[in-house]
Amino acid sequence: NAGVTQTPKFQVLKTGQSMTLQCAQDMNHEYMSWYRQDPGMGLRLIHYSVGAGITDQGEVPNGYNVSRSTTEDFPLRLLSAAPSQTSVYFCASSGSGQYSNYGYTFGSGTRLTVV
Amino acid sequence: RKEVEQDPGPFNVPEGATVAFNCTYSNSASQSFFWYRQDCRKEPKLLMSVYSSGNEDGRFTAQLNRASQYISLLIRDSKLSDSATYLCVGVLSNSGYALNFGKGTSLLVTP
Repeated sequence: NAGVTQTPKFQVLKTGQSMTLQCAQDMNHEYMSWYRQDPGMGLRLIHYSVGAGITDQGEVPNGYNVSRSTTEDFPLRLLSAAPSQTSVYFCASSGSGQYSNYGYTFGSGTRLTVV
Repeated sequence: RKEVEQDPGPFNVPEGATVAFNCTYSNSASQSFFWYRQDCRKEPKLLMSVYSSGNEDGRFTAQLNRASQYISLLIRDSKLSDSATYLCVGVLSNSGYALNFGKGTSLLVTP
């Protein structure tokens, strides 16, 4: 199994550009979420999904959209990139939410720079 | 203010030492907790779950005290390969069971 796959691994955007960060998992996990990691701030929740067709906002959702049309895929869209969105983005999935003793599996991350 | 608070360190310890990390949480609705390990420029990886009864996995012991809203991780006989950032994590029952991270504690084990 590939686990959680994120693409691209690196990206440089100009201010105002849009792009989609891809996330796919092959473990049939219901729960998926996106985080950003910034120095001194730790990982913060952007958006999450508890199943196909169901998404909601996390702690820092502004400037980002998500959709969950299939169980496998959970893309994150930057609508109009800003320098404040320069960060490392992680996607994660889990099989059973609250009752999971296995936590979440993370993708390897996307390092995004907005200039 | 983060709901999960950790001492950022860094903790510098010699090989073979025992080191303890502490974490406090403020959301009493948090039901599940984990310790994750993150190496430099890598994704977080699950180290172990945390239970009220305690959880031991080899050299690692985790403990949850719900009355004090306190979580601990003990590492015995530290190895050079234990050098990493250790993340205390709660599950957000009001946010689709997504994760609520502390900022992490940095550990450097030296020869």
